[in-house]
Amino acid sequence: SQQGEEDPQALSIQEGENATMNCSYKTSINNLQWYRQNSGRGLVHLILIRSNEREKHSGRLRVTLDTSKKSSSLLITASRAADTASYFCATDAPSGTYKYIFGTGTRLKVLA
Amino acid sequence: DAGVIQSPRHEVTEMGQEVTLRCKPISGHNSLFWYRQTMMRGLELLIYFNNNVPIDDSGMPEDRFSAKMPNASFSTLKIQPSEPRDSAVYFCASSGQDQPQHFGDGTRLSIL
Repeated sequence: SQQGEEDPQALSIQEGENATMNCSYKTSINNLQWYRQNSGRGLVHLILIRSNEREKHSGRLRVTLDTSKKSSSLLITASRAADTASYFCATDAPSGTYKYIFGTGTRLKVLA
Repeated sequence: DAGVIQSPRHEVTEMGQEVTLRCKPISGHNSLFWYRQTMMRGLELLIYFNNNVPIDDSGMPEDRFSAKMPNASFSTLKIQPSEPRDSAVYFCASSGQDQPQHFGDGTRLSIL
């Protein structure tokens, strides 16, 4: 299995602080995605990073990818209470199929 | 864009009953996915359709589960007979070619 494993499982920070979540996976990938899930809602796509990219930004989000270590990190800067959610990484198969394997998620709580 | 629409949002039924979950994907998307999310197992892919054709049903737990996609705008996931261990949140997602998946808000299923 190439399931991603997020670390930490849970994270609690104060509003305005930065939040960093990590994802490790087992096999080669074409790309890696990060999703957010608010309580009682479906997953929302945040950002996709390809295997030939090392860093990508989108607003307050910064994603890095280290294929040699098979790991990725998601940084949320200047966090807000509205960022409270679970965050998942998803990795695809080397053959580039449709199948994405989702990690176990990091539960982020941002305290106002 | 209405997003992926799932119904019902909540379903409570007794074991042995037939359960039918419904999904309307985003118009123009040619891929549709059914997932199951539980605390113990996380998010699991049950079945994947491409252009209304089931491509991979290897995640369907057993013969009690079946899924259909009679046309591009509708899919169903059926459990018959249902068992308490089927209790979970079931998500439908759709995507365009090589695009991120868009998730519905899920159906929370409780089998008593």
